[in-house]
Amino acid sequence: GNSVTQMEGPVTLSEEAFLTINCTYTATGYPSLFWYVQYPGEGLQLLLKATKADDKGSNKGFEATYRKETTSFHLEKGSVQVSDSAVYFCALMNTDKLIFGTGTRLQVFP
Amino acid sequence: DGGITQSPKYLFRKEGQNVTLSCEQNLNHDAMYWYRQDPGQGLRLIYYSQIVNDFQKGDIAEGYSVSREKKESFPLTVTSAQKNPTAFYLCASSVLAGVMNEQFFGPGTRLTVL
Repeated sequence: GNSVTQMEGPVTLSEEAFLTINCTYTATGYPSLFWYVQYPGEGLQLLLKATKADDKGSNKGFEATYRKETTSFHLEKGSVQVSDSAVYFCALMNTDKLIFGTGTRLQVFP
Repeated sequence: DGGITQSPKYLFRKEGQNVTLSCEQNLNHDAMYWYRQDPGQGLRLIYYSQIVNDFQKGDIAEGYSVSREKKESFPLTVTSAQKNPTAFYLCASSVLAGVMNEQFFGPGTRLTVL
């Protein structure tokens, strides 16, 4: 079946530190991959996506590359800000449903 | 402004009562979805609808019901049969159901059953 595994949080960083949040997936076929962000008390916003192997999604300084050989879609940012504090969800879509990971909370301190 | 609205933001109900959560979108999207979010867990799909007057069960449909009488509206009823209804409920929509179509999310409704 389809599933997404994310690293457990919280991830705690100082401002301007480098961020990596690991995400691996299991899927049949060729899924599309997504990162969503949820700020406190809000719904989810799409952060970035990739629809085929070797695609790189990027937005607001965040990047993730679709790696089929390692079934991974790790989220990275070179220099985090306090305003990046949120919960990040990795997700895949294989037919018409989104399958989410459990989410990783990021806390950035000044 | 186009978007998805959910109301109310917070909802309190007594155990044994049915409650209906509202979801409206003015994006002209055909597909709509309801998810449930529990602490420390990802989102789980309750129901989805690809077109007016049609809907399908998701992974955790038991104790919930939906209707899709209008394209812009997809209300969710949490019935007394739902054993653990306290959760954060998120509604989403997409142009069409399918791999290439981004889902847009509403702000959510936090339901607390007392």
